Amino acid sequence: KAGVTQTPRYLIKTRGQQVTLSCSPISGHRSVSWYQQTPGQGLQFLFEYFSETQRNKGNFPGRFSGRQFSNSRSEMNVSTLELGDSALYLCASSLGPTGDQEAFFGQGTRLTVV
Amino acid sequence: AQKVTQAQTEISVVEKEDVTLDCVYETRDTTYYLFWYKQPPSGELVFLIRRNSFDEQNEISGRYSWNFQKSTSSFNFTITASQVVDSAVYFCALSEASRDDKIIFGKGTRLHILP
Repeated sequence: KAGVTQTPRYLIKTRGQQVTLSCSPISGHRSVSWYQQTPGQGLQFLFEYFSETQRNKGNFPGRFSGRQFSNSRSEMNVSTLELGDSALYLCASSLGPTGDQEAFFGQGTRLTVV
Repeated sequence: AQKVTQAQTEISVVEKEDVTLDCVYETRDTTYYLFWYKQPPSGELVFLIRRNSFDEQNEISGRYSWNFQKSTSSFNFTITASQVVDSAVYFCALSEASRDDKIIFGKGTRLHILP
């Protein structure tokens, strides 16, 4: 079966712009989580959605937001981009809420803010 | 306080050697889960194992084995007879039931297997 698909794979944006990243989970999976990976901070949890509801959220400013649609696809949005937002953004899907479930990750979207 | 500590930032071993990646975690929960993930150069994280806090039984899967010791809050990962394909960044992670199972990752250990 198809894995987790993240689009686009690469993105270059200018400071102050906004960006939307997309994640299509594995068919049948209802939970989608987002992570930011940077060399300095490592992998940091952004938020998790389960059945269209945000289940929990990491310590990121309000410029980072997300949503999940009825088909479980998820988007995350970053507004007013800053240079420090340059990172690899990873999406993970699982059957149920993460934590006690195996999570499958996509290849990520590499965002560069210039 | 850091919840998951992977003290080894980078390790290099020669192929066929055994190597152990250390992971120390911190939690006050009695119900929690520990994970190991592998991140090859392609970028996606690959799930290796999940262990819940009530199951201290060690696990072996082929050349991989995991040693979970609650007494020392450690969940170490050993690769036996390492191969070049094992070269990757390995992450240990923790999720706590009291925090809605949010997964917290360690900083990762970059493993180089030299031919």
